[in-house]
Amino acid sequence: GAGVSQSPRYKVAKRGQDVALRCDPISGHVSLFWYQQALGQGPEFLTYFQNEAQLDKSGLPSDRFFAERPEGSVSTLKIQRTQQEDSAVYLCASSYRDTNQPQHFGDGTRLSIL
Amino acid sequence: EDKVVQSPLSLVVHEGDTVTLNCSYEVTNFRSLLWYKQEKKAPTFLFMLTSSGIEKKSGRLSSILDKKELFSILNITATQTGDSAIYLCAVEASGAGGTSYGKLTFGQGTILTVHP
Repeated sequence: GAGVSQSPRYKVAKRGQDVALRCDPISGHVSLFWYQQALGQGPEFLTYFQNEAQLDKSGLPSDRFFAERPEGSVSTLKIQRTQQEDSAVYLCASSYRDTNQPQHFGDGTRLSIL
Repeated sequence: EDKVVQSPLSLVVHEGDTVTLNCSYEVTNFRSLLWYKQEKKAPTFLFMLTSSGIEKKSGRLSSILDKKELFSILNITATQTGDSAIYLCAVEASGAGGTSYGKLTFGQGTILTVHP
């Protein structure tokens, strides 16, 4: 596709449920990033993939958060046993290579935990 | 810890006004500074700045970086209602050994509202 595609656009879950958020990056983009954006704040880094390798997961807030990109294209961010504080917009971004290239963002998934 | 601070946090102007948005940063091993515009959806890329003192320009928008004083400004001239958005500043830093993979640290954003 022409841009980064994320699904679903909106997700409502009850506290304690598991959720999975999908990101389809721009074709050919090596680098893929996940960010979390709380209301009224700038995005905060969660994790980074170069192709299928997860090279940095230092921003994941707890071990309930897990991300994968098994074939170096589509990525999934999974949150287990969701908590209310997980409510946020989850943004995915991709870039052609690791640096000197701007990241292009998807529209995000707005996650609401009841 | 890398830090990016934007000011003002919000700004209300009328069409035709000129605005200046500020971004200051504290980053170890700075590589680049980026500006994004965020409406209701994805942040859209505006500028990437790596060299001090060189202005980047796109239509009514322009931006400049001062690496000595650690700040950048984004100017918008002759504002239009379509410029209403959140403007995000982000900084990329090198990792150990000069490596970098593009991890961005964002500021809180400036909410710009342009009234007709």
